[in-house]
Amino acid sequence: NAGVTQTPKFRILKIGQSMTLQCAQDMNHNYMYWYRQDPGMGLKLIYYSVGAGITDKGEVPNGYNVSRSTTEDFPLRLELAAPSQTSVYFCASTPDSSGNTIYFGEGSWLTVV
Amino acid sequence: QKEVEQDPGPLSVPEGAIVSLNCTYSNSAFQYFMWYRQYSRKGPELLMYTYSSGNKEDGRFTAQVDKSSKYISLFIRDSQPSDSATYLCAMSGQAAGNKLTFGGGTRVLVKP
Repeated sequence: NAGVTQTPKFRILKIGQSMTLQCAQDMNHNYMYWYRQDPGMGLKLIYYSVGAGITDKGEVPNGYNVSRSTTEDFPLRLELAAPSQTSVYFCASTPDSSGNTIYFGEGSWLTVV
Repeated sequence: QKEVEQDPGPLSVPEGAIVSLNCTYSNSAFQYFMWYRQYSRKGPELLMYTYSSGNKEDGRFTAQVDKSSKYISLFIRDSQPSDSATYLCAMSGQAAGNKLTFGGGTRVLVKP
């Protein structure tokens, strides 16, 4: 079972560069999320989507963009990378809004230098 | 002030001991409470899910929610070295979109 797949796993960016973190799930889940995790800080919601074509901001959306053209894919775009975006990024999905079946990807480690 | 507070640890216990973890929160709208386990360099995995106040048991794990005190707990009985991980509490106040608010996580070390 593939579950939630994130790529790349590790990336180093220079300040001002842009990149896209890819997230794909093969479980036909409607709800997808992007979180970032800073050391000792827990996870903070960046963006989420309740279905194809629908996205909304989370707690920390500045500097990021998302799109949801298909049910399977939910890419996260970083424009003009800044050192403050150095973090671990997790994509997650769930089939419904009950919260008891959320699946996380393995994470993408991003360093901005 | 953070919405969800969790002691970062580390919490070190001998194998076989009971691990006691807890979180406090300030938002009285939270209704759904979860505990996640996260191994190093891995994504969080859901351990326990509870709705509203009360206890829930699943094998060696027991989750408690006290909404009147805004306090949740996770107990791990007969702890094993494989339980060594970071434990994150999470909660949400609405079903729609299910946006979770996480604690900072408690690192647990179970020594053989």
